[in-house]
Amino acid sequence: DGGITQSPKYLFRKEGQNVTLSCEQNLNHDAMYWYRQDPGQGLRLIYYSQIVNDFQKGDIAEGYSVSREKKESFPLTVTSAQKNPTAFYLCASSIMAGFYEQYFGPGTRLTVT
Amino acid sequence: SQQGEEDPQALSIQEGENATMNCSYKTSINNLQWYRQNSGRGLVHLILIRSNEREKHSGRLRVTLDTSKKSSSLLITASRAADTASYFCATDESGYSTLTFGKGTMLLVSP
Repeated sequence: DGGITQSPKYLFRKEGQNVTLSCEQNLNHDAMYWYRQDPGQGLRLIYYSQIVNDFQKGDIAEGYSVSREKKESFPLTVTSAQKNPTAFYLCASSIMAGFYEQYFGPGTRLTVT
Repeated sequence: SQQGEEDPQALSIQEGENATMNCSYKTSINNLQWYRQNSGRGLVHLILIRSNEREKHSGRLRVTLDTSKKSSSLLITASRAADTASYFCATDESGYSTLTFGKGTMLLVSP
């Protein structure tokens, strides 16, 4: 059963704490992406990775960090430096970076109070 | 940067009617894609149209692309209540490694 999994579905944290969101894929895709979605804002790219041990900043990388130590895993850490972390976070993958179809996970809704 | 912009922002129709959503973009592209998102879920890819194509069909979906006007439209024929969702267009700016998503059109289909 191939696809992308994100965990947890809902996450609650206190302000000032770092939190790591999980994203795993078994599609054997090289490229993986993290997006943030706020109401009425569409998707904004946080980070993306074209290949293992490589990643690039997207449009809103400040306050976030990622790693890509394994092909199937691309965790996102929301640090205390992110001023408005409460949002819906979506992970996606594609066979290669660029104009290929992206496959999305179910998302993680993060609430920071 | 937000390359694709959907219009209208929201659309409310009755079951059986057709729904048309539009997407405009700013620069040259290799292809344009449409995605669907049910409330609180991930996006699902619907259709991809390449820059050298003018029209593409998939079931009840029809997508057109006019590169001279930098615009695309998504037509859903004979809408069903289950089509209720947000629809996003995504474009790739030539030379970049990522897609840029618009803000989406929220479609409500009433029984």
